[in-house]
Amino acid sequence: GNSVTQMEGPVTLSEEAFLTINCTYTATGYPSLFWYVQYPGEGLQLLLKATKADDKGSNKGFEATYRKETTSFHLEKGSVQVSDSAVYFCALVDSGGFKTIFGAGTRLFVKA
Amino acid sequence: DVKVTQSSRYLVKRTGEKVFLECVQDMDHENMFWYRQDPGLGLRLIYFSYDVKMKEKGDIPEGYSVSREKKERFSLILESASTNQTSMYLCASREARSGANYGYTFGSGTRLTVV
Repeated sequence: GNSVTQMEGPVTLSEEAFLTINCTYTATGYPSLFWYVQYPGEGLQLLLKATKADDKGSNKGFEATYRKETTSFHLEKGSVQVSDSAVYFCALVDSGGFKTIFGAGTRLFVKA
Repeated sequence: DVKVTQSSRYLVKRTGEKVFLECVQDMDHENMFWYRQDPGLGLRLIYFSYDVKMKEKGDIPEGYSVSREKKERFSLILESASTNQTSMYLCASREARSGANYGYTFGSGTRLTVV
């Protein structure tokens, strides 16, 4: 079946450090891929998405590239801020599907 | 700005009570979803709805039911609340057109405690 695997957290970084959160997936066909962010006490927000191979999604300084050859969608940011502290979820919807499959989430702490 | 609104941020209910969690969206989305989120278990799908009057079971429907009488409103019902239903409940909606390419819009969540 379809699945999403994220790197375990928590990830702790200093402000202005480079961020990578790894995400790999298993799916048939050509899924759409997403990153969501959840700030403390809130629901999830869509951060970025990519719908086909080699697409790059970007938003608020975050980027992720849909790599079909490695079945990956790693989230990156060049310089994190304290306000980026949150839980990040990788997710997919397969090409014929309806439900979204979420990864377990990766908690990020950014220290000033 | 598009919105999904959940009626309560925090609820405390007693065991055995019937509990209603309400969710309203203003985006004219066809699809709506209820998830629960628990530490170590991630997000689990309870029920979803393709459109008005339609409902489908998700992965963990036991102990829950739903109602979708109007397009904008999707209600989750706990028929007889139990302590193992203490959780964060998240409602989401999504446009149905080419649905797989659209992400969810989530509400802020309802943290339910059953005592």
